[in-house]
Amino acid sequence: AQKVTQAQTEISVVEKEDVTLDCVYETRDTTYYLFWYKQPPSGELVFLIRRNSFDEQNEISGRYSWNFQKSTSSFNFTITASQVVDSAVYFCALSEGGGANNLFFGTGTRLTVIP
Amino acid sequence: ETGVTQSPTHLIKTRGQQVTLRCSSQSGHNTVSWYQQALGQGPQFIFQYYREEENGRGNFPPRFSGLQFPNYSSELNVNALELDDSALYLCASSLDGTGGDNQPQHFGDGTRLSIL
Repeated sequence: AQKVTQAQTEISVVEKEDVTLDCVYETRDTTYYLFWYKQPPSGELVFLIRRNSFDEQNEISGRYSWNFQKSTSSFNFTITASQVVDSAVYFCALSEGGGANNLFFGTGTRLTVIP
Repeated sequence: ETGVTQSPTHLIKTRGQQVTLRCSSQSGHNTVSWYQQALGQGPQFIFQYYREEENGRGNFPPRFSGLQFPNYSSELNVNALELDDSALYLCASSLDGTGGDNQPQHFGDGTRLSIL
């Protein structure tokens, strides 16, 4: 069975602080994909990154970086020098290879960046 | 490039009624997925359509049904509405839902459905 756990329900940081959002996943498949989405108050889910299970390279995109570790089944997301516009709910999601590429989402982490 | 659009934005219904939600996929995308997001929860997969055929279904009863049209737009129909159906319904489109290189799904703004 597949499962995504985001243990941090809410996080508050002061602007310019760094923050890491944790994601732990479970799957029996050897081929799978991991995603992060951002959901601002408007409701739309904004795609941030996709990682497949064979690519453990960390990735950096501007102030965002992702740390994928298969050994601990984790796919953590770090925002460096946070800004007020980063305030949103962030979802980690898993998609298994084969069949429909539907997403299994975690329960999300609400990030509030205080000016 | 046109993104995913959903209509209506908000809808209020009463128990027992039926509702149809609509979604236009992003240009070039042939796969549409529907998700239900209850307040404070992550989205839950309802079903997916690929080239007008249902390509996977989550744990939702048969009163949740769907269609995909030749232009890849889609409808979600819910019959016999219940109070627990109150949620944000999200549509997402992607390229190729056949289990290949799982492409990112791009979401619309959603339809907020309230059941009284």
